[in-house]
Amino acid sequence: AQSVAQPEDQVNVAEGNPLTVKCTYSVSGNPYLFWYVQYPNRGLQFLLKYITGDNLVKGSYGFEAEFNKSQTSFHLKKPSALVSDSALYFCAVFKDSGAGSYQLTFGKGTKLSVIP
Amino acid sequence: GAVVSQHPSWVICKSGTSVKIECRSLDFQATTMFWYRQFPKQSLMLMATSNEGSKATYEQGVEKDKFLINHASLTLSTLTVTSAHPEDSSFYICSARDQARGIYNEQFFGPGTRLTVL
Repeated sequence: AQSVAQPEDQVNVAEGNPLTVKCTYSVSGNPYLFWYVQYPNRGLQFLLKYITGDNLVKGSYGFEAEFNKSQTSFHLKKPSALVSDSALYFCAVFKDSGAGSYQLTFGKGTKLSVIP
Repeated sequence: GAVVSQHPSWVICKSGTSVKIECRSLDFQATTMFWYRQFPKQSLMLMATSNEGSKATYEQGVEKDKFLINHASLTLSTLTVTSAHPEDSSFYICSARDQARGIYNEQFFGPGTRLTVL
C-alpha cells in the first residue's frame, strides 16, 4: 500500500532560519511524491513534486525537497523561513486505485509556525 | 496555474435539509475530480473519485446515498449532502486533475466549503 508519514505534528522555527518539514514514504514500485501547503480556511496549494530525475526538487515560494531513496524520505526544506510560511504542510503520494485511476494519499499534516 | 473554484465558500443549514456544493475547473478540462473532507486540525480524507459521465467511486465507509456526487461535464462536479446532520459539519474540498498534463500531474484544489449544520 502507498502511504506517507509526517512524524511531526508541529514545527517551530525562527524567522530567517532554515526550516525542514519531514516526510517518509512507503510505496511499492516507483514513488510519486508531492508537497502541498494549506493556509487557514483555504484549499491546498501545490508546492512541488518528485516523479523522476534529480533528487533535489525545487518548487514554489523558495521551497525545495530532497528525495532520498535509501532513507525513503522526501523532506521539505527552505533556506530562510518567513513568517508568511506559517501554514499546514501536507506530504502526499500517488496511489494507483485500479483501472488506470490515480489518487493522492495524504500524510496527517505538519503545522509550521515561523516566529518573528 | 490551473484554477478550481468552489461554491459556496460557507454554508449554514438546518438539520434535515440538503446542501449542494459545486466544484468547477475554470481553465482546464477535468476528467477526474476528487472530493475530500477535512476535520479540524486533521488531514484530508478522500470521500470519492468522480469521473465525467460515469458513477462516482466512493471510499470505504462513505455513504453514497448520503453524499451524492454528479460529474456531468468536464468542468463541473457537484456534491450534495442529503438530509444533513450536525455530524456532517466539516470542511469539504474538491480537487481536479488536468488530464492533458498526464497521469502523474498534480491535482489542483478548490478553496474549500465550510458546512455547518445546526
